[in-house]
Amino acid sequence: DAGVTQSPTHLIKTRGQQVTLRCSPKSGHDTVSWYQQALGQGPQFIFQYYEEEERQRGNFPDRFSGHQFPNYSSELNVNALLLGDSALYLCASSSGTVADTQYFGPGTRLTVL
Amino acid sequence: GENVEQHPSTLSVQEGDSAVIKCTYSDSASNYFPWYKQELGKRPQLIIDIRSNVGEKKDQRIAVTLNKTAKHFSLHITETQPEDSAVYFCAASPYGGSQGNLIFGKGTKLSVKP
Repeated sequence: DAGVTQSPTHLIKTRGQQVTLRCSPKSGHDTVSWYQQALGQGPQFIFQYYEEEERQRGNFPDRFSGHQFPNYSSELNVNALLLGDSALYLCASSSGTVADTQYFGPGTRLTVL
Repeated sequence: GENVEQHPSTLSVQEGDSAVIKCTYSDSASNYFPWYKQELGKRPQLIIDIRSNVGEKKDQRIAVTLNKTAKHFSLHITETQPEDSAVYFCAASPYGGSQGNLIFGKGTKLSVKP
């Protein structure tokens, strides 16, 4: 049974660039949530996708956008990167009817120079 | 919106002792409270959770208690072992069920000394 997977593992970008991160949910799950984890902090909710639509959104600017595909995998896009966007980006998968029970992927470490 | 506070930020115990981590939440509508363990460089791992219709839940050496009136919940680890050393996060789900974004505490770094 495959768990949650994310790619790439690490990424280095410069200010102003754009980045796309990818997530495949756990087998049997249809909901994907994205979180940003700054060093030494707890994860912060960015948004949640279900049935290919953004179902909920946290307090993040429009530079952060996402997409969910028919196979339930998801992408997180960040435009106009800032130094403060450097963080570990985690995706979590869950089942639509019990969306709060979430299992995390290994994360993508984004460094913005 | 929901706010979750977690204490202590660091906790050091001797192997075999018990460890207790406490969290408080602000939104009385929150009804789901998971705990995650995150080892250095690894993903957060769900270790135990509790819903608001239950006061206590136990899984081997780990237990979680919930006091809805006081709006706080706690993680209890008994007979600690060095492999329990990690950062532990509590979280609350203000919507629950079909719309479950999680609000996390800032974490507790637990060190278990052999």
